[in-house]
Amino acid sequence: EAGVTQFPSHSVIEKGQTVTLRCDPISGHDNLYWYRRVMGKEIKFLLHFVKESKQDESGMPNNRFLAERTGGTYSTLKVQPAELEDSGVYFCASSQDRGHEQFFGPGTRLTVL
Amino acid sequence: KQEVTQIPAALSVPEGENLVLNCSFTDSAIYNLQWFRQDPGKGLTSLLLIQSSQREQTSGRLNASLDKSSGRSTLYIAASQPGDSATYLCAVRPGGGADGLTFGKGTHLIIQP
Repeated sequence: EAGVTQFPSHSVIEKGQTVTLRCDPISGHDNLYWYRRVMGKEIKFLLHFVKESKQDESGMPNNRFLAERTGGTYSTLKVQPAELEDSGVYFCASSQDRGHEQFFGPGTRLTVL
Repeated sequence: KQEVTQIPAALSVPEGENLVLNCSFTDSAIYNLQWFRQDPGKGLTSLLLIQSSQREQTSGRLNASLDKSSGRSTLYIAASQPGDSATYLCAVRPGGGADGLTFGKGTHLIIQP
């Protein structure tokens, strides 16, 4: 069974540009989560989808971040326009049911110059 | 606001030793607690999940305990091996319906051959 996959693995962009990160959860997992870790800090929760619906987006830092999960399969996280402080590693996770074990992808390392 | 602290931040021990990693959390109203390992440049690998009603979970040489009332969990690694070298992360899922995990900063573990 394939794990959670994320694309790209690395992205380097300039301040003010737009970047879109993609996450493919484990097949059959209705719950999809986005997290990020900025340099020197702990991993922080961004938002949670149940199928295509946003269940909790309390961790989204501001309106420059837009997450979607059309059709309830893969998800995208768009940052527009990117700022220097957005640099970090963005992780995606999925779980079969709420409260169950969360399985993480390898992350996307975003560098904003 | 839930806060998770992991002590020590770094640990280096000779191969073969048994060791304990500590995790504490400020709000005891959790749904479950999950331990992960992260290898450099990789994603998070789930090690153990302990439900709030459980006291411990075991997987191979790993044993995780949970004392919810005192806000503490420990991860015990028996007969450590160089392959156990990684960063170990503790994360709690809050009670009350939210699903986003709150992470500690991790313990960076080095097992000396």
